[in-house]
Amino acid sequence: DQQVKQNSPSLSVQEGRISILNCDYTNSMFDYFLWYKKYPAEGPTFLISISSIKDKNEDGRFTVFLNKSAKHLSLHIVPSQPGDSAVYFCAASAQGGSEKLVFGKGTKLTVNP
Amino acid sequence: DAGITQSPRHKVTETGTPVTLRCHQTENHRYMYWYRQDPGHGLRLIHYSYGVKDTDKGEVSDGYSVSRSKTEDFLLTLESATSSQTSVYFCATGQGLSEAFFGQGTRLTVV
Repeated sequence: DQQVKQNSPSLSVQEGRISILNCDYTNSMFDYFLWYKKYPAEGPTFLISISSIKDKNEDGRFTVFLNKSAKHLSLHIVPSQPGDSAVYFCAASAQGGSEKLVFGKGTKLTVNP
Repeated sequence: DAGITQSPRHKVTETGTPVTLRCHQTENHRYMYWYRQDPGHGLRLIHYSYGVKDTDKGEVSDGYSVSRSKTEDFLLTLESATSSQTSVYFCATGQGLSEAFFGQGTRLTVV
């Protein structure tokens, strides 16, 4: 039973355009959410996070939006660059981040020059 | 970068043999984790540790055991390797449960 769902296995966008990666969750106890980025042959690296007390968090070209009522979060990358091509994992935690992370299956983003 | 070293980075082993993967950290993080990554499954937690000699199971723990005798080292053992355990294994560490810094991974092939 998947508690964190990334329903799009892959996404392809043009350089300079916006990339939107989506993540849905089923556990209403989740209140802390993270995005990780993974390049081939490397370990995942932390990208950005958001707490449920906020609905938006921004870091440079990366913005995460949280819609608690819909149990949905999204990662926006603007503008997209070829170096953003990677697998992106959504993760969630409960109890203010004091519970173990639960990961989605990942979305492979390809940014075409 | 949390200073995490996984060894070996690549391994090919035969079905039925025991295999041990090592994770070494230099950050003195309390928590250590072993994940496996498989196509269509993402990252799945195998086991984790919340202190020396304190470990617990994750969602895919069958066929695996772990040990943590020192803060800096977390070992994952496949007691009798099977082809279904062919995967990429990642170690991660963190000061809190919702924090994870990952190593570079170990690609294990069971033939």
